[in-house]
Amino acid sequence: KQEVTQIPAALSVPEGENLVLNCSFTDSAIYNLQWFRQDPGKGLTSLLLIQSSQREQTSGRLNASLDKSSGRSTLYIAASQPGDSATYLCAVRGGANSKLTFGKGITLSVRP
Amino acid sequence: DTGVSQDPRHKITKRGQNVTFRCDPISEHNRLYWYRQTLGQGPEFLTYFQNEAQLEKSRLLSDRFSAERPKGSFSTLEIQRTEQGDSAMYLCASSSTSGTGDEKLFFGSGTQLSVL
Repeated sequence: KQEVTQIPAALSVPEGENLVLNCSFTDSAIYNLQWFRQDPGKGLTSLLLIQSSQREQTSGRLNASLDKSSGRSTLYIAASQPGDSATYLCAVRGGANSKLTFGKGITLSVRP
Repeated sequence: DTGVSQDPRHKITKRGQNVTFRCDPISEHNRLYWYRQTLGQGPEFLTYFQNEAQLEKSRLLSDRFSAERPKGSFSTLEIQRTEQGDSAMYLCASSSTSGTGDEKLFFGSGTQLSVL
């Protein structure tokens, strides 16, 4: 059974700092991995998707990397802003017809 | 593309009552997923459809839960005889199968259920 872990559960940083959010998964046989953002009381917004054959994806100030063999992914946020404050969730899919399995998320607070 | 729409946004009910939620996916998406999320936890898979076929259902889903997608478009999730433990955010997501590993899920804003 796939398990996804995100540690720490919460993180507070000053504005402008570059930061890395970690995600680990137990079964390296994944189809893809997706990072989401969730604002309080809202649904999830897709940030980046990395296919199993890829090593990283970039969108603006965000860069996600994938190391399947070690069961790890990281989300790098450059020059953090208060508007980046949210919960960031990592989710993995085991196969083309499989569900997404989520971690519990990391709640990020960027202090002005 | 109007996004995934869920209705209602909030539902308060008394224990023992039945509730039904609706999800309208992005129009060209053939897959539709239901997830449940409680405070401080990641979304937990409930079930998913490809077109009108229900392809997978979580073993955590009791017989009180049923989902349908009769015409392969919108879906409903019904909870019968609600219990306080059913209180959660119910999230719907949709996607389009590509077979190339780049299938992204798009989520709605969710229905927040409170069972008193």
